Order: sequence, then C-alpha cells, then structure tokens
Amino acid sequence: TQLLEQSPQFLSIQEGENLTVYCNSSSVFSSLQWYRQEPGEGPVLLVTVVTGGEVKKLKRLTFQFGDARKDSSLHITAAQPGDTGLYLCAGARSGNTPLVFGKGTRLSVIA
Amino acid sequence: KAGVTQTPRYLIKTRGQQVTLSCSPISGHRSVSWYQQTPGQGLQFLFEYFSETQRNKGNFPGRFSGRQFSNSRSEMNVSTLELGDSALYLCASSLLRGLNSPLHFGNGTRLTVT
Repeated sequence: TQLLEQSPQFLSIQEGENLTVYCNSSSVFSSLQWYRQEPGEGPVLLVTVVTGGEVKKLKRLTFQFGDARKDSSLHITAAQPGDTGLYLCAGARSGNTPLVFGKGTRLSVIA
Repeated sequence: KAGVTQTPRYLIKTRGQQVTLSCSPISGHRSVSWYQQTPGQGLQFLFEYFSETQRNKGNFPGRFSGRQFSNSRSEMNVSTLELGDSALYLCASSLLRGLNSPLHFGNGTRLTVT
C-alpha cells in the first residue's frame, strides 16, 4: 500500500497552460516536501511545507499543505518546457523517520 | 561545493552475483540515506546512516546491506542479485538528521541484473 498517492500519474500540456498535481494520504505528516527529478539525475528539493494550510510560492509554482496535513498540491502557472520532469512528493511522519515518497507525476510541457 | 557523488553510474551484473555501490556525501554532511527507484514502486527507502551507525532500515531483505565510514562516505552491498533488483539506486546526504535538514541526492547508480 502506497502511503502517498500522487495524481495524475502522467500529464502532457501545452506551453502557457496552468496545471495542478496532487499528493494525498490517509496519514498525517509532520511535513511534506516536493522534488523535481529530470532524466539521468537525482531528485532536487523544491520546497518543504510544515504547517497545516501553509502556502508557499516559488516563482510560478505554488505549493499548499492541507489543513489536516494529509495532502498537498502543486500548482504551476503558465507552464514552460523547462518545467518538464518527474514531480515527487515526500512526507515525514515525525522527526527522524525516513521520508516516504509518492510514485510521482510525470509532466511534459510541449512548446 | 561538490554535490553528492555516486559511483559507478552504470552497472550490469548477472543473477547470483553481488555488487557494491559507493556514495560520497557533500562535505560536512553526516547523514546518508539510500533509496531504490523503480518505475513500478517509485522511491523506496533502504537505510539511513548517521555517525557510522544505521539509524533506520526499510523493508528490504537481508541481501541488502550498507555501512558508513568515519569520513561519512557510504557503501551499500547487494548479494545474490535477482532480476528484480534492477533499479536506480539513489544516495542522499544531509547535514544532520530530521526534518530541518534537507536531503541532497546524487544522480544515482543504475543497476541492471541479467
């Protein structure tokens, strides 16, 4: 059973479109992180959210942590080809427990 | 500052053989974690080392083992390889343990078992 479910699994959009990807769980997490992974590389941390209801913005990317700390979303405004990659969410149940990863959303932005 | 370095980048092994993968963390980072990434299962946690001690272990068979040296470099070993062990093995380092110490991943070792 996957602790973190990400949807959609695949997303192909045109440059300039907006999109939202989701990360859901039935478990409460102390924090959630979002990573982007490009082919042939390891995941790179984009953001960490720790407070229920928290919203963080990183240029055209907006991250939200659910009020109950069970889910998160990533919204990209005016997607660009450089946004193409595998987006992974990862959660930590408590202080020193290992991160649990979702299977990811593979995004393709077509110019 | 050099990132996390994993060697080798690619490996091809035969069923039944064993393999050792190496990870050099970012200078000053004391925690090293290992993950297995496959298309079907995503990233799955293998183990975490801090100050040469294994702190957490994932749900993998005993064929998977690891260690950390005094300079924080880490190795993982897989014995009696199976076809299902084919995967990208990722190492990540962090300054300390815990939520406030973000993970920095290497580019992985792609292992193919034939």
